[in-house]
Amino acid sequence: DAKTTQPNSMESNEEEPVHLPCNHSTISGTDYIHWYRQLPSQGPEYVIHGLTSNVNNRMASLAIAEDRKSSTLILHRATLRDAAVYYCIGMMDSNYQLIWGAGTKLIIKP
Amino acid sequence: ETGVTQTPRHLVMGMTNKKSLKCEQHLGHNAMYWYKQSAKKPLELMFVYNFKEQTENNSVPSRFSPECPNSSHLFLHLHTLQPEDSALYLCASSQDLMGTQYFGPGTRLLVL
Repeated sequence: DAKTTQPNSMESNEEEPVHLPCNHSTISGTDYIHWYRQLPSQGPEYVIHGLTSNVNNRMASLAIAEDRKSSTLILHRATLRDAAVYYCIGMMDSNYQLIWGAGTKLIIKP
Repeated sequence: ETGVTQTPRHLVMGMTNKKSLKCEQHLGHNAMYWYKQSAKKPLELMFVYNFKEQTENNSVPSRFSPECPNSSHLFLHLHTLQPEDSALYLCASSQDLMGTQYFGPGTRLLVL
């Protein structure tokens, strides 16, 4: 069954860069890669999205492999407030709705 | 401030009760969504509305009944729920069906 795969959890030290990987080997040629995150006791929030080229915004950077079968979300300098579950979404259903996976729980150590 | 509010934030109900969850978005969006988030499971899309019209119902049991009176408000009416319906219910909105989704904080529901 087509889906994205991410590590269940990752740990990083505060003020260091974090690279969160995602595999989406069966992504279609027109589906965007979306990243959302969910902080404790909150709803998910948008982080970034891209199609083919690498993308940067004030929250993070998104590096997309040339074959689009994988991508990496980069937090340049993690803070304790970045501790959350990060969702990579590379699939849409027939009605163009996002198909969510289990995400990666990011733990930031002070 | 996400611009999407949900009430109540917490709800405990018995299996014979009737209750409603409310969602309001202040972003001028045209699409609204209900999701269910159970422990250790991915987000499950329940219903999608676009310009007040339901465009998706992901085989949700009839004990969940959505209502979208206008593009800013979305309700989820609950009746005769089961304990396995206990979960976090999230509302989201987007400018259109393919736009970035903005989520509310959710309603934590416990069915006894």
